[in-house]
Amino acid sequence: GQNIDQPTEMTATEGAIVQINCTYQTSGFNGLFWYQQHAGEAPTFLSYNVLDGLEEKGRFSSFLSRSKGYSYLLLKELQMKDSASYLCALGRSGAGSYQLTFGKGTKLSVIP
Amino acid sequence: EPEVTQTPSHQVTQMGQEVILRCVPISNHLYFYWYRQILGQKVEFLVSFYNNEISEKSEIFDDQFSVERPDGSNFTLKIRSTKLEDSAMYFCASSGGDGNTIYFGEGSWLTVV
Repeated sequence: GQNIDQPTEMTATEGAIVQINCTYQTSGFNGLFWYQQHAGEAPTFLSYNVLDGLEEKGRFSSFLSRSKGYSYLLLKELQMKDSASYLCALGRSGAGSYQLTFGKGTKLSVIP
Repeated sequence: EPEVTQTPSHQVTQMGQEVILRCVPISNHLYFYWYRQILGQKVEFLVSFYNNEISEKSEIFDDQFSVERPDGSNFTLKIRSTKLEDSAMYFCASSGGDGNTIYFGEGSWLTVV
């Protein structure tokens, strides 16, 4: 099975940097994904890591350490529109498909 | 930018009725999925579809659920006899040849009354 843990809520200030952590226990996965989800909307792909290390994509970066069962999403220069839930997901391929198992998400509130 | 489109955006149905949710995946994608999210809960995998057949399904995807690709563009989820606990947002998703990046549609909000 797969168990994914994220903080339920976080608050950060506009213009600041915030790090959202994700820890997991699993028997195996191919990649770790981060999605953004505004209330009532679809998850939107942000970033993914296959190998250990940091992946940078504009204001967003994601880090993975397989040995520690740990990932984080780093958001820089926070904007009000970044207020959303951030979903950590483990991706597993098999039988001709790629299946995502999501955590419960971290609700980020950006305040002025 | 190509996107996954879903219809209807919102449907209200009576318990026991059949519902069909429709999706048009991104045109050159090969893998298709349905996920659902009950209000306030996490996104859950239902089923994946590749090469015109189900490749994986979760425990949630029981005999009341079915999927179909009736033509070259549409991908549907049918719920035969809806229950109150089927009320959720249903997301269609698709991915390309590498299967790595999965793109979600805007969702169909199903309310069973």
